[in-house]
Amino acid sequence: DGGITQSPKYLFRKEGQNVTLSCEQNLNHDAMYWYRQDPGQGLRLIYYSQIVNDFQKGDIAEGYSVSREKKESFPLTVTSAQKNPTAFYLCASRIEGSTDTQYFGPGTRLTVL
Amino acid sequence: RKEVEQDPGPFNVPEGATVAFNCTYSNSASQSFFWYRQDCRKEPKLLMSVYSSGNEDGRFTAQLNRASQYISLLIRDSKLSDSATYLCVVRGAGNNRKLIWGLGTSLAVNP
Repeated sequence: DGGITQSPKYLFRKEGQNVTLSCEQNLNHDAMYWYRQDPGQGLRLIYYSQIVNDFQKGDIAEGYSVSREKKESFPLTVTSAQKNPTAFYLCASRIEGSTDTQYFGPGTRLTVL
Repeated sequence: RKEVEQDPGPFNVPEGATVAFNCTYSNSASQSFFWYRQDCRKEPKLLMSVYSSGNEDGRFTAQLNRASQYISLLIRDSKLSDSATYLCVVRGAGNNRKLIWGLGTSLAVNP
């Protein structure tokens, strides 16, 4: 089946540990995005990538890092520098061209203890 | 002023009711407009794009008013399964195609 997968669905980590969230898509989409969603707040853009080996900071990139070595994959690392990492993390992708529509993976709910 | 503003609700309506949501955006150069639906603890899913001429998909109708900078979503004959949060989304004016997300309007359809 085509789609976007994120793993794991739930993740628990101790404070001070780095953690990497997986995002894979087999839709042949060029652009990929990472958002976080907190209660009472809209989706906030962390990083995005419009092409392999290139990525840009979003609105809240501090404490996060990404890589885009393959078109299908856009992993997000939440570092110990991120002050409030507990959140719902959503990965999305978009096909390059005229459409702006983004399609989402099921999300990873990260809890830092 | 927020870039995209929605009434947070919640809207509580009986089955079969018609309900309308509005959303305003601040940047007159915005290019694309969408309504997404998000169920509790799930990812957002595209409900419909919003075109200048307005568009309809079954019980759902979306309208865009560029002069007043607002978009609307009308749901007719509400079903229990329509209960969700509806997110208004606007593409910014830059070349990077970033989307700007509203906080969402919560809808509860009651039996």
